Amino acid sequence: KAGVTQTPRYLIKTRGQQVTLSCSPISGHRSVSWYQQTPGQGLQFLFEYFSETQRNKGNFPGRFSGRQFSNSRSEMNVSTLELGDSALYLCASSGSGRALGAGTDTQYFGPGTRLTVL
Amino acid sequence: SQQGEEDPQALSIQEGENATMNCSYKTSINNLQWYRQNSGRGLVHLILIRSNEREKHSGRLRVTLDTSKKSSSLLITASRAADTASYFCASYTGGGNKLTFGTGTQLKVEL
Repeated sequence: KAGVTQTPRYLIKTRGQQVTLSCSPISGHRSVSWYQQTPGQGLQFLFEYFSETQRNKGNFPGRFSGRQFSNSRSEMNVSTLELGDSALYLCASSGSGRALGAGTDTQYFGPGTRLTVL
Repeated sequence: SQQGEEDPQALSIQEGENATMNCSYKTSINNLQWYRQNSGRGLVHLILIRSNEREKHSGRLRVTLDTSKKSSSLLITASRAADTASYFCASYTGGGNKLTFGTGTQLKVEL
């Protein structure tokens, strides 16, 4: 099976702009999660989508949003970019079919999108 | 917030030596996962150990889990230069598939 793919791999934007990142999960996986990685804060959970519904959300401002399509592909959007949004954004997919409770399955990560805000 | 701390933060060893990394976590878990990350790239899943398991092996990797101490360790035996990377432990917290990561250990294996 093909792994998790993310596009674009690199992105440079300026403050105030908005950006959309895309993630295609492993075929058959219905759960897609997004994470932000920065040197200062480490790996932080943004949100998770399962069957087109946001199932969980991290502690990020409303400028960060996402969605999932019927084919499980997901996008995340960041509006009004700030310098502090510069980070590696990672997407992960899981085959978990559970609708409730903590996860039990492995999450597989994509290569990430490196966002630089100038 | 981080689920736990990893120790040491950085580790430098010679090729052929063993590397041990420790992870402590705060809340009860169903399982704990270890990931490797090469220099700012994606995370590669190494191993998942469930809360009812005490030890698990995968190739040169050995993971232990002590739920009474809320800690886990990752041992890489006979390390190679290609093992140079950052290693993270992670566990599910807060429902769904939300993973919370440790702070990571940077491993450098020198020739």
